[in-house]
Amino acid sequence: IVMTQSPATLSVSPGERATLSCRASQSIGTRLAWYQQIPGQVPRLLIFDASIRATGIAARFSGSGSGTEFTLTINSLQSEDFAVYYCQNYGAFGQGTRVEVK
Amino acid sequence: EVQLVESGGGLVQPGGSLRLSCAVSGFNFQTYWMSWVRQAPGKGLEWVANIDFHGDEMSYVDSVKGRFTISRDNAKNSLFLQMNNLRAEDTAFYYCARETPGGACYYDYWGQGTLVTVSS
Repeated sequence: IVMTQSPATLSVSPGERATLSCRASQSIGTRLAWYQQIPGQVPRLLIFDASIRATGIAARFSGSGSGTEFTLTINSLQSEDFAVYYCQNYGAFGQGTRVEVK
Repeated sequence: EVQLVESGGGLVQPGGSLRLSCAVSGFNFQTYWMSWVRQAPGKGLEWVANIDFHGDEMSYVDSVKGRFTISRDNAKNSLFLQMNNLRAEDTAFYYCARETPGGACYYDYWGQGTLVTVSS
């Protein structure tokens, strides 16, 4: 399975919404996770099973989708949210989407 | 507090070997599958290998099959990655990661990583 993320880079102003996409090369049901990696830090699990927030993750992060199309939405972007986001299904990671300040 | 601490990285020549270790604490190690995930500098994440609770079942990404061996010592709360015949493309930060229960291979805790550099 190949995971493809788009866009590669997303420019967003603080307080706005960011919408990130992840596509699987074949149907994976809802077996999808999203991770956040702030530069210089280790990845952090945000969402698993496509839509369930991990422990301690803020409600402004939400995941949706099933089958082959998935979305991570970040509402009202905060300064600490500018990072790289990866989707993952089992051994396959997407290439990442960098969310940067517009 | 859950902690995973990797060690064993360093500079090695192509064709050389290294053994990475990951010492864990703060959870019942023997009840979790564990993985190694790597990240070349400035690049994305790549799953490398995982191992079941007792070390009976292991899986590897194709690019390391036959060269890397994952193992664990539950008595010592430790995870290992033996890396042989290293190549330049193996240069990366190597993270040990705990898999969430249920078999979906999500990673809820990560170590800080250890850098492996393969270069002559």
